[in-house]
Amino acid sequence: KQEVTQIPAALSVPEGENLVLNCSFTDSAIYNLQWFRQDPGKGLTSLLLIQSSQREQTSGRLNASLDKSSGRSTLYIAASQPGDSATYLCAYGRGNAGNMLTFGGGTRLMVKP
Amino acid sequence: KAGVTQTPRYLIKTRGQQVTLSCSPISGHRSVSWYQQTPGQGLQFLFEYFSETQRNKGNFPGRFSGRQFSNSRSEMNVSTLELGDSALYLCATQGHSTGELFFGEGSRLTVL
Repeated sequence: KQEVTQIPAALSVPEGENLVLNCSFTDSAIYNLQWFRQDPGKGLTSLLLIQSSQREQTSGRLNASLDKSSGRSTLYIAASQPGDSATYLCAYGRGNAGNMLTFGGGTRLMVKP
Repeated sequence: KAGVTQTPRYLIKTRGQQVTLSCSPISGHRSVSWYQQTPGQGLQFLFEYFSETQRNKGNFPGRFSGRQFSNSRSEMNVSTLELGDSALYLCATQGHSTGELFFGEGSRLTVL
């Protein structure tokens, strides 16, 4: 069974810190990897999508990298803010599996003012 | 541009009943996939529909079924509800050529 592991499971930081969330996967045939944010009781908000041919994507204070050879992706959040508090999920898709994503368990982030 | 719309947002059922959930995709999106989210199992893929055809199916019992209409709207049905079916059911539709998925707010089902 292909798995996705996200470390740490929970993280609490003071406002202003730069932080890195990790995602590792065992499937070597990934087609793309997507990072999402989920607020309590809400749906998922897409943050960044990295195609397998890409190494990284950036949006504002967020930067995501992908290293297929090592089976790892990282999400870097610069200058964290209390509004960044949420659960962050990574998920990958396989080219031959339509839109079936395999998700990690998420990292629950708390940014304290 | 309207996002993915799921109805109902909340519902309570009792064991043995059945439930139907609805998902309206972003305009122009033809692929609709469904996921179940529980505290214990996290997010798990249920099935995906494209052009009214089931394209992929996850590892769920036959009590879970779905369909897609010609306007791309999709429904999923769960029959003979069990307590373990209590979950947030999320629908996602695909962006045009990038493969990016956009999710709705979900339907929270509680089975008593």
